Amino acid sequence: DAGITQSPRHKVTETGTPVTLRCHQTENHRYMYWYRQDPGHGLRLIHYSYGVKDTDKGEVSDGYSVSRSKTEDFLLTLESATSSQTSVYFCAITGTTNSPLHFGNGTRLTVT
Amino acid sequence: QKEVEQDPGPLSVPEGAIVSLNCTYSNSAFQYFMWYRQYSRKGPELLMYTYSSGNKEDGRFTAQVDKSSKYISLFIRDSQPSDSATYLCAMSVGSNYQLIWGAGTKLIIKP
Repeated sequence: DAGITQSPRHKVTETGTPVTLRCHQTENHRYMYWYRQDPGHGLRLIHYSYGVKDTDKGEVSDGYSVSRSKTEDFLLTLESATSSQTSVYFCAITGTTNSPLHFGNGTRLTVT
Repeated sequence: QKEVEQDPGPLSVPEGAIVSLNCTYSNSAFQYFMWYRQYSRKGPELLMYTYSSGNKEDGRFTAQVDKSSKYISLFIRDSQPSDSATYLCAMSVGSNYQLIWGAGTKLIIKP
């Protein structure tokens, strides 16, 4: 798993509650990404980071925020969870902008 | 129309068969092409990575890129039950921020 740990692995939460997912890497890679995966859709980029405190929006960033205070940790926060955010969330890392992504094993989030 | 199209399957073949998985795309500027394998409840793992056009071989796996037809393929020789997984294609113009993913093809190899 290229030294990537996602936590929690599973979470059930109620609509309107805040949720934070964590991605931790031991590879010292500069770039980190948050994706969501839903049936019938390809992986869709939520946010990415190109360094400590440097982040930018992806294709589906509405309702999500991120923070990266250390190289090894990238946090994804759902400020007020909605049922449409029920999904599997994957973190990925790379050392350069065009080298292949390495993924964690995902967090399965259910918003009831 | 999606930028990258991939038949969701499932594709079911007997063990030992040659498998062909395909993606079509619409953006002629794509230069980087990847195939990932994803087992159930796991993250995608990289199988093949190709820049521009041509073929690349790695063991039982061969990746082909045909930029004139906007078509990429992954061939699996001597398929094994352990190859049963979902196969995702991905491609980009340059950086990973622009990576576009197919929805994945579910492959089942029957013993």
